[in-house]
Amino acid sequence: QSALTQPASVSGSPGQSITISCTGTSSDVGGYNYVSWYQQHPGKAPKLMIYDVSNRPSGVSNRFSGSKSGNTASLTISGLQAEDEADYYCSSYTSSSTPYVFGTGTKVTVL
Amino acid sequence: EVQLVESGGGVVRPGGSLRLSCAASGFTFDDYGMSWVRQAPGKGLEWVSGINWNGGSTGYADSVKGRFTISRDNAKNSLYLQMNSLRAEDTALYYCARPDSGSYYYYMDVWGKGTTVTVSS
Repeated sequence: QSALTQPASVSGSPGQSITISCTGTSSDVGGYNYVSWYQQHPGKAPKLMIYDVSNRPSGVSNRFSGSKSGNTASLTISGLQAEDEADYYCSSYTSSSTPYVFGTGTKVTVL
Repeated sequence: EVQLVESGGGVVRPGGSLRLSCAASGFTFDDYGMSWVRQAPGKGLEWVSGINWNGGSTGYADSVKGRFTISRDNAKNSLYLQMNSLRAEDTALYYCARPDSGSYYYYMDVWGKGTTVTVSS
């Protein structure tokens, strides 16, 4: 099972919106509404930001939103803030021999 | 407070073994599946293994299948990962994480701080 494909880096200025893509296959992203997104700051454990494609856990800012179209899921961060600078990973259940897979990760830089 | 605390990491030679532990507190442990996720230095996250709430179902990444064994002791609120035939590429920070489900292949809403495993001669 290969990792889901994400862009290596995305950047934006404070206040802008950015979108991170996560491309898989019909065996993972496209086949199930079990896509989630994690934020990881340097030296810290990952933090759940979005689950089941578009749901936000309690306490996560509504500036973060998720969506999916076909085999590609997306995370949008609106009103970009300095604290959003971090690595972001998508993940999904898969019907392959490895039942859970992460994306390759995207480094978000706030200019 | 919901908490996961990993232990058992260290330096081991290629071909050696190590057993990781994860102590859970602040929630009803046997209501949830559990997983191990690792992160090699400077690299991304990799799901390693998972176990359902009663230990009756387990899953492994292809990269560790046949070498790693996950288990749990609900009486002790503990999760384990027995790692055998270790390779240099197993060097990573190993996180214990809680899927928000009795299954293990689901999003993880609680994470520990990790324990470091280094495989080197």
